[in-house]
Amino acid sequence: ETGVTQSPTHLIKTRGQQVTLRCSSQSGHNTVSWYQQALGQGPQFIFQYYREEENGRGNFPPRFSGLQFPNYSSELNVNALELDDSALYLCASSLGGDENQPQHFGDGTRLSIL
Amino acid sequence: AQKITQTQPGMFVQEKEAVTLDCTYDTSDPSYGLFWYKQPSSGEMIFLIYQGSYDQQNATEGRYSLNFQKARKSANLVISASQLGDSAMYFCAMVETGGFKTIFGAGTRLFVKA
Repeated sequence: ETGVTQSPTHLIKTRGQQVTLRCSSQSGHNTVSWYQQALGQGPQFIFQYYREEENGRGNFPPRFSGLQFPNYSSELNVNALELDDSALYLCASSLGGDENQPQHFGDGTRLSIL
Repeated sequence: AQKITQTQPGMFVQEKEAVTLDCTYDTSDPSYGLFWYKQPSSGEMIFLIYQGSYDQQNATEGRYSLNFQKARKSANLVISASQLGDSAMYFCAMVETGGFKTIFGAGTRLFVKA
């Protein structure tokens, strides 16, 4: 069984730029959630995609957007990057319809904004 | 509103001893799930244990057990026979049944001493 993979592992951008982060879900999983984890804090929920539709969103501005593809892989796009966007971005996949199942996380993308 | 509180920023434990990591939660929903995840310095989140709000028994998974006290809204993680490899950040998390959003606490950093 293939686990959750994220790319790239590290990324450096400057303020105002745009970035796309990618996530391949674990085989058999149809739900992908994205989290932002600032240094020394717990992950904050950004949004979730289920069967290619946004299923829910946390308290993040519209410049954070996403996509889910027919193979259930996903992208997180962030426009107009700000210094506070520097964080570890985690993708997690799960089987939708059963919140009792744990999420399976990737190793994350560490984004640094200069 | 959902909230997870972890009041111990850091904990030390001697190798081979047991340690309890505290977690309290707040929700108005009678149906929810509680999770504990481990995050080593490499960044990936590793699922440890799950407790459903209607489960009568405390969850156990190998050396991990969850001390669930529903009336007090607490879900403490107990790690028995600590090992050096247990040194990591530990996060308590909650999802409301039928919801899409997983809320994480701020985490507890555990240091296991040889």
